[in-house]
Amino acid sequence: RKEVEQDPGPFNVPEGATVAFNCTYSNSASQSFFWYRQDCRKEPKLLMSVYSSGNEDGRFTAQLNRASQYISLLIRDSKLSDSATYLCVVVYSSASKIIFGSGTRLSIRP
Amino acid sequence: EPEVTQTPSHQVTQMGQEVILRCVPISNHLYFYWYRQILGQKVEFLVSFYNNEISEKSEIFDDQFSVERPDGSNFTLKIRSTKLEDSAMYFCASSDSGVSNQPQHFGDGTRLSIL
Repeated sequence: RKEVEQDPGPFNVPEGATVAFNCTYSNSASQSFFWYRQDCRKEPKLLMSVYSSGNEDGRFTAQLNRASQYISLLIRDSKLSDSATYLCVVVYSSASKIIFGSGTRLSIRP
Repeated sequence: EPEVTQTPSHQVTQMGQEVILRCVPISNHLYFYWYRQILGQKVEFLVSFYNNEISEKSEIFDDQFSVERPDGSNFTLKIRSTKLEDSAMYFCASSDSGVSNQPQHFGDGTRLSIL
């Protein structure tokens, strides 16, 4: 089983739609979780951290379920500019071991 | 906003040659990382570095690779005897803390092409 697995995608949704991605992780020692976005041939950019109680940043909501070992990202009222690959990132306790998921590609159509 | 800078943006090298990829982390950051991303594949962790030594390395980071902080600002990745399969984007990242909940900030990468 892969350490971090994401929805395979691609997701192709109309502008204004709500879309959700999931990410599962296999190691219960995982400490911290992040969502990054990556545009084509660009560097990963932090989208948001994921907190145990769940957190929201504008149109984006992230949730963590430690019991089931998954995190999720919800995007409401999607914009054309949301088109990107969304990367789930899991960090182990020392912050020295960081695992990226393979990414979920999202395409927003007008 | 401070950023991580990487040079060169694109490096083309003959197979078997050595390359050095350079990174200038954000100035008050103490933890440094290298990742690679082969075209069309996921971002892969290579190595983390703190206090002038390697904190952790992946199985990819074998004897062909080394890292160094030669001065107070640069953080370099050296790849010896390059192979075709070393062709990838190499990203440097830094964070201000080794606490796991601190995010990393990425440079815009060096595209390495091995011929």
